[in-house]
Amino acid sequence: GAVVSQHPSWVICKSGTSVKIECRSLDFQATTMFWYRQFPKQSLMLMATSNEGSKATYEQGVEKDKFLINHASLTLSTLTVTSAHPEDSSFYICSASTGSSENDEQYFGPGTRLTVT
Amino acid sequence: LAKTTQPISMDSYEGQEVNITCSHNNIATNDYITWYQQFPSQGPRFIIQGYKTKVTNEVASLFIPADRKSSTLSLPRVSLSDTAVYYCLVGSRDDKIIFGKGTRLHILP
Repeated sequence: GAVVSQHPSWVICKSGTSVKIECRSLDFQATTMFWYRQFPKQSLMLMATSNEGSKATYEQGVEKDKFLINHASLTLSTLTVTSAHPEDSSFYICSASTGSSENDEQYFGPGTRLTVT
Repeated sequence: LAKTTQPISMDSYEGQEVNITCSHNNIATNDYITWYQQFPSQGPRFIIQGYKTKVTNEVASLFIPADRKSSTLSLPRVSLSDTAVYYCLVGSRDDKIIFGKGTRLHILP
């Protein structure tokens, strides 16, 4: 099946710094990618929808200036957490769809554990 | 997007068949039903998807009654490694996926 990777798998950063997380579709082109955040023992929360070549669409309550999303190619989307704070510590997961009319399965990345100290 | 309701948690024993039911009373005509599995610190993994009646693959079966207001994920002969959170999702193609709380399945030896 289609594979989605994320890099890094985990990162520790100091408060006030910025962190970039990459999401790649390895063997298919993804017009649309999604970014989620998951706190311990909670469900995934959709943060934004990333469309190749256009601005991302953010969910209500998600600060677009704090969580910068860039989808520069059909295989890569990046999420940058700017001026990170300890409350941004979470598990960040991306997903991508092939966009096929016959299979609308979304493929999820393995996630990135962000810890802000 | 249709809301879904699932049991918060379930326990079962190794070798048993586990059925997890999901309610989606407001499902729309063009909505599909999809189930995902998630292990701790991993991304969700697709299990099965269906529109109506019954769908079966190598890991699970999905039963959908005629009114489509509910669905049941059936896991045959579970093992300890099936301990995970299972999410029932309803939506049409191209919809963004909104996750509910999921069902925390705990398999006991």
